Amino acid sequence: ETGVTQTPRHLVMGMTNKKSLKCEQHLGHNAMYWYKQSAKKPLELMFVYNFKEQTENNSVPSRFSPECPNSSHLFLHLHTLQPEDSALYLCASSGWTGGSDEAFFGQGTRLTVV
Amino acid sequence: GDSVTQMEGPVTLSEEAFLTINCTYTATGYPSLFWYVQYPGEGLQLLLKATKADDKGSNKGFEATYRKETTSFHLEKGSVQVSDSAVYFCALRGGRGGTASKLTFGTGTRLQVTL
Repeated sequence: ETGVTQTPRHLVMGMTNKKSLKCEQHLGHNAMYWYKQSAKKPLELMFVYNFKEQTENNSVPSRFSPECPNSSHLFLHLHTLQPEDSALYLCASSGWTGGSDEAFFGQGTRLTVV
Repeated sequence: GDSVTQMEGPVTLSEEAFLTINCTYTATGYPSLFWYVQYPGEGLQLLLKATKADDKGSNKGFEATYRKETTSFHLEKGSVQVSDSAVYFCALRGGRGGTASKLTFGTGTRLQVTL
């Protein structure tokens, strides 16, 4: 149990579908992150939220839309995705008190776009 | 910007062999350094960390020493087990007190341990 829970664990969606990924943490952390992990590519940081405010967007296409209603919850809304968006999407959280705070990761959502 | 370079994998070892996975970094200031491990079908778990020069992080028989002079944080284990088979990620986190707190990861090194 890592303290960060992601749902669903697996998702198959068509290119015209709309779906959402959910992440929840009860570790008292202020920062939450979305990462994309594709085969044979480095882990890619997508979005960073600090105290519910987005502080980083790494040039992510608009078909990915994050939402952070509070410090414990983070969503990633998906629409009109492409097959190359198939990947493992990882959520993480951390404190924001300094660089020594490690990030805690969820188990990820394995997304397949067909 | 910050970057982390890890040795290419896969690394294949026999059980009880000695493990070294090299990691070097480029960063401004005084980053904290981490090793994460990812078992098949799972997310990343923190394995160990070091927050200042000459610190040694250790956990489950794994060790890594923060070497500022060589900007390195190599992962070592004296005797690997089949259960250590996983992907290992080196990472750094820069910043001082609330800034630049994102983690920068290396590409990961897959370790396969055989009987």
